[in-house]
This record gives sequence, structure tokens and C-alpha cells, in this order.
Amino acid sequence: NAGVTQTPKFQVLKTGQSMTLQCAQDMNHEYMSWYRQDPGMGLRLIHYSVGAGITDQGEVPNGYNVSRSTTEDFPLRLLSAAPSQTSVYFCASSYSSVGTHNEQFFGPGTRLTVL
Amino acid sequence: GEDVEQSLFLSVREGDSSVINCTYTDSSSTYLYWYKQEPGAGLQLLTYIFSNMDMKQDQRLTVLLNKKDKHLSLRIADTQTGDSAIYFCAEKTGGGADGLTFGKGTHLIIQP
Repeated sequence: NAGVTQTPKFQVLKTGQSMTLQCAQDMNHEYMSWYRQDPGMGLRLIHYSVGAGITDQGEVPNGYNVSRSTTEDFPLRLLSAAPSQTSVYFCASSYSSVGTHNEQFFGPGTRLTVL
Repeated sequence: GEDVEQSLFLSVREGDSSVINCTYTDSSSTYLYWYKQEPGAGLQLLTYIFSNMDMKQDQRLTVLLNKKDKHLSLRIADTQTGDSAIYFCAEKTGGGADGLTFGKGTHLIIQP
């Protein structure tokens, strides 16, 4: 298993540009999520999905869209990038998220800079 | 609301024990986690504890949970240079599928 993969690893955008951060997992996990990590801020949940066709907002969803058309993929879209979105983005997945413990597996991250 | 607090830095000598502390506010937390992040890498789950437990030991790692004070600690025995990383405390509450709430992370610095 490749686990959780993210592409690209690095990206530089200009303000107003759009892009999609890709996330895929091959573990047949139902639950997938996106976090952003900023210095001194820990990780903050952007959006999450409990299964194909179902998405919901996390703590900091503004400026980001997601979709979950398949179990494997959970792309994160920035429609009009802003400098405040400069961050490291982590995708995570787990078998489930409700009730019992299910380990979340994290991808290697995408480092995004918006100029 | 939910809040998880950690000190930002901890410096210890190689071979000593490291104790990283965390406090949380949500009394409905079901599971509490410790993650490790090495430079340039993603997060790796180190250990977790269910909220009805007081202690969990796994090789060099000991997790202590004081549910009354909402205090969680991670003790690393015989700290090695490879333990140098950022350690995140995280909580999972029982209400809904909304992921984990993370602390800001503690940088563990190892002195030779």
C-alpha cells in the first residue's frame, strides 16, 4: 500500500490563481480530511468527508472547496488564492471517524506559497 | 469550545527522560493522541489513550491521563537524538465526525 499520497509537494501561486491539491489513499478508508499547519498554530481542520459523496466543513473552511466522488480521492480546491493561504497542507484518512479509535494516517504534506 | 494547550519548547539532555504536557478543555473527549512530526514530514501516530484509562505504556513511551484536571502527558524514557521532533497532543470528542483538535505542538530539543 502507498498509504496517503499528496501532490504536488511544493507549489507557488500568485494571488488570485486557482489550483487543486490532490490527495489519494489506497487503504479503502471512509474518512478523509484536510488540515492546514501554520507556524505556532498546530493543525486546523479545513474540510472532511465521511464517505464518497459526503463532505462537511471543519474549523477553517473559507476559501476552500472539496469534493469526494470516489472513496480513494479527496481533492482540495483553492478558487482564488490569497497570501493568507500560504501554509503546509496535510491530508489524512482513517477507516472511520465516529465512535471507536481509528488511527488517522497523514500524507507527507503540500507546501503552498501564495505571493 | 475545544482547546488543546501545550508548551512550545522542551529541552532535555540525551539519556534523560522527556515529559511533554498537554491540557484540554472538552470533557467529552473520547480518545487523546500523541503525534510526532519530524522536519519536513507528515504526522506519525505515536500512541493514544482512551478516556477511561489512567495510564498506557508502550516501550519507552508512557502516557498519563488525569481526566479530572484534563491533563495529558507523554514521557519518553532514555531520550535519544532521534526523538528530536515536534510532538502534538490531539483530542477526539464523541460528538460527530469532525476530526481531531490539535495543540500547537511542542518542539523537543535534545542536548548532547
